Amino acid sequence: NAGVTQTPKFRVLKTGQSMTLLCAQDMNHEYMYWYRQDPGMGLRLIHYSVGEGTTAKGEVPDGYNVSRLKKQNFLLGLESAAPSQTSVYFCASSHGTEETQYFGPGTRLLVL
Amino acid sequence: AQKVTQAQTEISVVEKEDVTLDCVYETRDTTYYLFWYKQPPSGELVFLIRRNSFDEQNEISGRYSWNFQKSTSSFNFTITASQVVDSAVYFCALSEASGTYKYIFGTGTRLKVLA
Repeated sequence: NAGVTQTPKFRVLKTGQSMTLLCAQDMNHEYMYWYRQDPGMGLRLIHYSVGEGTTAKGEVPDGYNVSRLKKQNFLLGLESAAPSQTSVYFCASSHGTEETQYFGPGTRLLVL
Repeated sequence: AQKVTQAQTEISVVEKEDVTLDCVYETRDTTYYLFWYKQPPSGELVFLIRRNSFDEQNEISGRYSWNFQKSTSSFNFTITASQVVDSAVYFCALSEASGTYKYIFGTGTRLKVLA
Protein backbone atom coordinates (compact mmCIF):
# COMPACT_ATOMS: atom_id res chain seq x y z
CA ASN A 1 0.00 0.00 0.00
CA ALA A 2 2.00 2.97 -1.30
CA GLY A 3 -0.60 5.63 -0.45
CA VAL A 4 -0.12 8.70 -2.65
CA THR A 5 2.84 8.78 -5.01
CA GLN A 6 4.08 11.59 -7.25
CA THR A 7 6.27 11.55 -10.34
CA PRO A 8 8.80 13.10 -10.82
CA LYS A 9 10.38 14.12 -7.52
CA PHE A 10 12.34 16.99 -9.03
CA ARG A 11 12.39 18.73 -12.39
CA VAL A 12 14.06 21.72 -13.97
CA LEU A 13 12.31 23.42 -16.88
CA LYS A 14 13.11 26.34 -19.12
CA THR A 15 10.56 29.08 -19.53
CA GLY A 16 7.99 28.07 -22.13
CA GLN A 17 8.51 24.33 -21.81
CA SER A 18 5.66 22.02 -20.91
CA MET A 19 5.44 19.12 -18.53
CA THR A 20 3.00 16.85 -16.73
CA LEU A 21 3.11 15.87 -13.09
CA LEU A 22 1.57 12.53 -12.23
CA CYS A 23 -0.20 11.67 -9.01
CA ALA A 24 -1.34 8.16 -8.21
CA GLN A 25 -3.21 6.81 -5.20
CA ASP A 26 -4.03 3.25 -4.25
CA MET A 27 -6.56 3.96 -1.49
CA ASN A 28 -9.61 4.02 -3.79
CA HIS A 29 -10.23 7.65 -2.88
CA GLU A 30 -12.82 9.61 -4.84
CA TYR A 31 -11.32 13.03 -4.27
CA MET A 32 -7.94 14.23 -5.43
CA TYR A 33 -6.23 17.60 -5.15
CA TRP A 34 -3.20 19.51 -6.44
CA TYR A 35 -1.57 22.15 -4.23
CA ARG A 36 1.46 24.34 -4.57
CA GLN A 37 3.62 25.36 -1.63
CA ASP A 38 5.57 28.59 -1.67
CA PRO A 39 7.68 30.06 1.16
CA GLY A 40 5.59 31.94 3.70
CA MET A 41 2.30 31.15 1.95
CA GLY A 42 1.33 27.73 3.16
CA LEU A 43 -0.35 25.46 0.64
CA ARG A 44 -2.73 26.76 -1.99
CA LEU A 45 -5.19 24.67 -3.95
CA ILE A 46 -4.66 24.65 -7.72
CA HIS A 47 -7.29 22.21 -8.98
CA TYR A 48 -9.23 19.33 -7.54
CA SER A 49 -11.39 16.42 -8.65
CA VAL A 50 -14.43 14.90 -6.99
CA GLY A 51 -14.39 11.80 -9.12
CA GLU A 52 -13.19 10.16 -12.31
CA GLY A 53 -13.76 12.42 -15.30
CA THR A 54 -14.43 15.56 -13.23
CA THR A 55 -12.19 18.49 -12.35
CA ALA A 56 -12.68 21.91 -10.79
CA LYS A 57 -10.64 25.05 -10.21
CA GLY A 58 -9.14 25.89 -6.87
CA GLU A 59 -7.62 29.06 -5.54
CA VAL A 60 -4.75 29.48 -8.04
CA PRO A 61 -5.66 27.62 -11.27
CA ASP A 62 -4.16 29.96 -13.88
CA GLY A 63 -1.42 28.41 -15.98
CA TYR A 64 -2.34 24.84 -15.05
CA ASN A 65 -4.58 22.16 -16.47
CA VAL A 66 -5.61 18.84 -14.98
CA SER A 67 -7.16 15.56 -16.01
CA ARG A 68 -8.65 12.63 -14.13
CA LEU A 69 -9.14 9.89 -16.71
CA LYS A 70 -8.73 7.12 -14.16
CA LYS A 71 -9.90 7.16 -10.57
CA GLN A 72 -6.45 6.45 -9.22
CA ASN A 73 -4.59 9.08 -11.25
CA PHE A 74 -4.66 12.87 -11.28
CA LEU A 75 -2.42 14.70 -13.75
CA LEU A 76 -1.29 18.30 -13.49
CA GLY A 77 -0.08 19.96 -16.68
CA LEU A 78 1.91 23.09 -17.30
CA GLU A 79 1.54 24.07 -20.96
CA SER A 80 4.05 26.92 -20.97
CA ALA A 81 6.07 27.07 -17.79
CA ALA A 82 6.90 30.43 -16.20
CA PRO A 83 9.40 31.26 -13.43
CA SER A 84 6.41 32.11 -11.20
CA GLN A 85 5.52 28.42 -11.29
CA THR A 86 8.71 27.50 -9.46
CA SER A 87 7.30 25.78 -6.39
CA VAL A 88 6.81 22.51 -4.58
CA TYR A 89 3.71 20.69 -5.80
CA PHE A 90 1.75 18.34 -3.60
CA CYS A 91 -0.96 15.95 -4.54
CA ALA A 92 -3.51 14.73 -1.99
CA SER A 93 -6.48 12.41 -1.91
CA SER A 94 -9.41 11.70 0.38
CA HIS A 95 -12.49 9.50 0.61
CA GLY A 96 -14.89 12.39 0.82
CA THR A 97 -14.90 16.13 0.94
CA GLU A 98 -14.96 16.26 4.74
CA GLU A 99 -12.47 13.46 5.20
CA THR A 100 -8.77 13.76 5.93
CA GLN A 101 -6.55 14.46 2.95
CA TYR A 102 -3.43 12.34 2.60
CA PHE A 103 -0.51 13.89 0.79
CA GLY A 104 2.12 12.62 -1.60
CA PRO A 105 5.83 13.33 -1.09
CA GLY A 106 5.86 16.40 -3.33
CA THR A 107 7.49 17.44 -6.61
CA ARG A 108 10.03 20.21 -6.60
CA LEU A 109 9.84 22.23 -9.83
CA LEU A 110 12.33 24.88 -10.86
CA VAL A 111 11.53 27.03 -13.90
CA LEU A 112 14.48 28.99 -15.26
CA ALA B 1 -14.57 34.55 4.82
CA GLN B 2 -12.57 31.57 5.97
CA LYS B 3 -9.07 32.12 7.21
CA VAL B 4 -6.42 30.37 9.27
CA THR B 5 -3.80 32.37 11.13
CA GLN B 6 -0.61 30.95 12.54
CA ALA B 7 0.98 34.05 13.96
CA GLN B 8 4.17 32.33 15.12
CA THR B 9 6.44 32.15 12.11
CA GLU B 10 9.29 30.42 13.92
CA ILE B 11 9.81 29.08 17.43
CA SER B 12 13.03 27.79 18.95
CA VAL B 13 13.08 25.74 22.13
CA VAL B 14 15.62 23.63 23.95
CA GLU B 15 15.02 19.91 24.08
CA LYS B 16 12.62 18.79 26.83
CA GLU B 17 10.85 22.12 26.93
CA ASP B 18 7.11 22.24 26.32
CA VAL B 19 5.96 24.31 23.36
CA THR B 20 2.55 25.45 22.13
CA LEU B 21 1.79 26.26 18.52
CA ASP B 22 -1.12 28.62 18.02
CA CYS B 23 -3.84 28.36 15.39
CA VAL B 24 -6.70 30.84 15.10
CA TYR B 25 -9.40 30.35 12.49
CA GLU B 26 -12.27 32.32 11.04
CA THR B 27 -15.42 30.77 9.68
CA ARG B 28 -19.13 31.48 9.50
CA ASP B 29 -20.00 27.82 9.21
CA THR B 30 -21.26 25.78 12.12
CA THR B 31 -19.94 22.60 10.51
CA TYR B 32 -16.23 22.52 9.87
CA TYR B 33 -13.10 20.49 10.48
CA LEU B 34 -9.69 21.48 11.77
CA PHE B 35 -6.44 19.69 11.06
CA TRP B 36 -2.79 19.73 12.00
CA TYR B 37 -0.06 18.48 9.68
CA LYS B 38 3.67 18.13 10.27
CA GLN B 39 6.23 18.80 7.54
CA PRO B 40 9.66 17.51 8.62
CA PRO B 41 12.85 18.58 6.81
CA SER B 42 12.38 15.68 4.39
CA GLY B 43 9.39 17.60 2.99
CA GLU B 44 6.42 15.26 3.20
CA LEU B 45 3.20 16.29 4.91
CA VAL B 46 2.22 14.04 7.77
CA PHE B 47 -1.33 14.08 9.11
CA LEU B 48 -1.52 14.53 12.89
CA ILE B 49 -5.13 15.18 13.88
CA ARG B 50 -8.63 15.96 12.59
CA ARG B 51 -11.23 17.59 14.79
CA ASN B 52 -14.83 18.41 13.90
CA SER B 53 -16.62 21.52 15.08
CA PHE B 54 -19.02 19.62 17.31
CA ASP B 55 -16.36 17.98 19.39
CA GLU B 56 -14.60 20.34 21.77
CA GLN B 57 -12.90 17.65 23.79
CA ASN B 58 -9.20 18.10 24.08
CA GLU B 59 -7.10 15.28 22.74
CA ILE B 60 -3.83 13.79 23.91
CA SER B 61 -1.65 11.45 21.92
CA GLY B 62 1.62 10.67 23.62
CA ARG B 63 3.56 13.91 23.92
CA TYR B 64 1.09 15.73 21.66
CA SER B 65 -2.07 17.44 22.84
CA TRP B 66 -4.61 19.69 21.19
CA ASN B 67 -6.81 22.34 22.76
CA PHE B 68 -9.90 23.24 20.73
CA GLN B 69 -11.82 26.29 21.95
CA LYS B 70 -14.73 27.50 19.86
CA SER B 71 -15.20 30.55 22.08
CA THR B 72 -11.83 31.91 20.92
CA SER B 73 -11.79 30.16 17.52
CA SER B 74 -8.51 28.50 18.39
CA PHE B 75 -7.07 25.04 17.90
CA ASN B 76 -3.70 25.05 19.61
CA PHE B 77 -1.14 22.27 19.56
CA THR B 78 1.19 21.50 22.45
CA ILE B 79 4.25 19.30 22.40
CA THR B 80 5.36 18.20 25.85
CA ALA B 81 9.02 17.45 26.51
CA SER B 82 10.04 18.39 22.98
CA GLN B 83 12.64 16.34 21.12
CA VAL B 84 14.96 17.18 18.24
CA VAL B 85 12.83 14.95 15.98
CA ASP B 86 9.93 17.34 16.54
CA SER B 87 11.77 19.97 14.49
CA ALA B 88 9.51 20.64 11.53
CA VAL B 89 7.04 23.06 10.04
CA TYR B 90 3.55 22.57 11.42
CA PHE B 91 0.46 23.55 9.48
CA CYS B 92 -3.05 24.11 10.74
CA ALA B 93 -5.90 23.80 8.23
CA LEU B 94 -9.64 24.43 8.12
CA SER B 95 -12.28 22.86 5.92
CA GLU B 96 -15.88 24.06 5.85
CA ALA B 97 -19.10 22.51 4.71
CA SER B 98 -19.99 25.64 2.72
CA GLY B 99 -16.60 25.58 1.00
CA THR B 100 -17.20 22.00 -0.10
CA TYR B 101 -14.62 21.12 2.52
CA LYS B 102 -11.68 22.48 0.58
CA TYR B 103 -8.73 23.01 2.90
CA ILE B 104 -7.57 26.46 3.88
CA PHE B 105 -4.06 26.27 5.26
CA GLY B 106 -2.28 28.58 7.63
CA THR B 107 1.18 29.75 6.67
CA GLY B 108 2.84 27.33 9.07
CA THR B 109 5.04 27.56 12.15
CA ARG B 110 8.64 26.40 11.95
CA LEU B 111 9.66 24.68 15.18
CA LYS B 112 13.33 24.24 15.95
CA VAL B 113 14.20 22.02 18.87
CA LEU B 114 17.79 22.46 19.95
CA ALA B 115 19.75 19.70 21.64
